[in-house]
Amino acid sequence: DVVMTQSPLSLPVTLGQPASISCRSSQGLVHSDGNTYLNWFQQRPGQSPRRLIYKVSNRDSGVPDRFSGSGSGTDFTLNITRVEAEDVGVYYCMQGTHWPPWTFGQGTKVEIK
Amino acid sequence: QAHMVESGGGLVQPGGSLRLSCAASGFYFNYYGMYWVRQAPGKGLEWVAFMESDGSKYYRDSVRGRFTISRDNSRNTLYLQMSSLRPEDTAIYYCATNRDAIADWGQGTLVTVSS
Repeated sequence: DVVMTQSPLSLPVTLGQPASISCRSSQGLVHSDGNTYLNWFQQRPGQSPRRLIYKVSNRDSGVPDRFSGSGSGTDFTLNITRVEAEDVGVYYCMQGTHWPPWTFGQGTKVEIK
Repeated sequence: QAHMVESGGGLVQPGGSLRLSCAASGFYFNYYGMYWVRQAPGKGLEWVAFMESDGSKYYRDSVRGRFTISRDNSRNTLYLQMSSLRPEDTAIYYCATNRDAIADWGQGTLVTVSS
């Protein structure tokens, strides 16, 4: 199974400042079809997860452009350019290349300082 | 816009059974694979089962032989039949669509396995 490792697990940020979350996979995530199925999800307190980014760097519809994804191989990053209060929650990376199983990172809790 | 509503959760004793449903709308259900993903209280996300549009089924090791995923395309509904339930199966169960892997999520239904 592919193990997804996120860091940090807790991220206190100042409003208006940038934030960055790292995700590393135990194997490269390039699929035989040439795509890299690395997704990012946001889970606000008391809500269901919501996908923000798919295939490393593609923003889902309605996702603010302050969110961006990057990376390749085994190293991936979610960046928030200027954190807003509504960004508080837990962020998860997930791989959908080597399945089953589909595997998630442990989650990174973003909170306001 | 995909919309899913899960139902069927509740309190069940260890060894008991439960059937979850996921009613889908806003997309062509027949065409898409569908997932069940769970989240234990205060914990992270864990994939449980996946059913492709062609009927192929996949399960995580800890539920294989106890859980069965199925779908009724005429009702736009996904199911998860759970039996021989254990306390460690306690979680919110979400259904989700397959669009470049896991994409859209329902609101979830809580399953509590306890005596």
